[in-house]
Amino acid sequence: AQSVTQLGSHVSVSEGALVLLRCNYSSSVPPYLFWYVQYPNQGLQLLLKYTSAATLVKGINGFEAEFKKSETSFHLTKPSAHMRDAAEYFCAVSDPGGGNKLTFGTGTQLKVEL
Amino acid sequence: DGGITQSPKYLFRKEGQNVTLSCEQNLNHDAMYWYRQDPGQGLRLIYYSQIVNDFQKGDIAEGYSVSREKKESFPLTVTSAQKNPTAFYLCASTRQEGYGYTFGSGTRLTVV
Repeated sequence: AQSVTQLGSHVSVSEGALVLLRCNYSSSVPPYLFWYVQYPNQGLQLLLKYTSAATLVKGINGFEAEFKKSETSFHLTKPSAHMRDAAEYFCAVSDPGGGNKLTFGTGTQLKVEL
Repeated sequence: DGGITQSPKYLFRKEGQNVTLSCEQNLNHDAMYWYRQDPGQGLRLIYYSQIVNDFQKGDIAEGYSVSREKKESFPLTVTSAQKNPTAFYLCASTRQEGYGYTFGSGTRLTVV
C-alpha cells in the first residue's frame, strides 16, 4: 500500500519568508500527487497537482511544488509567506489505474508570524 | 456555480442512534468519496463509489454504511456500531483519474 509522509506537523515562518512544506511518498509507479489547503472548519481546496507532465508545478496563491522521482518527494514552496497562508496543508497520492483513491498525509499546520 | 453540498454543518448524536450525513453534488462527477478527519491523523477513507448503484469499502468502513442510488447523491449513515463517531466528515467527488477531488465543507459530528 502506498503512503505519504509529511515531515513536521507544525511549521512556523515569518511573514515574507520562504515557505517549505515537505512531502515524501512511497509508490511503485510514478504516481499522481496533490497538495491541498484547509482553513478551519472547512473542506479541502486543491492547490496544485502533478500528473506526469512538467516536474515543476505551479498552483494557486503563489505556491509551487517540484516532483523529484529520485528522492520520492513533492515538496511545496512559496517564496514569500503571507498571513493569509496560515492553514493546514495536506499532501496526497494516488496510483494511476488505482481507482483514483487518494491517500493523504497527516497534514502540516503552517503558522505565519509578523 | 457547481459544487458539493454537505448537510448539516453540525450534528449531535446520542449514544445508540444512527445518523445520516447528506452529500449532494451538481458537478456531474461519477466518483464520490467519504473521508473521516481526526486531529493529527489526516483523512481516512470510509467508503467510495465510482458509479451509481456501486460502492466499495475504504480503510475504516466498520460502523458506517452508504448508498448511491443517484449520481448526485452519496449519503453516509453512521450506525450505533461505530464506537467513536465524533469527527469531522468530508465528502468529495471527481470526474476522472488524476483530476483531483472537489470537497464539500464538511459535517462535524459529536456524540453527546
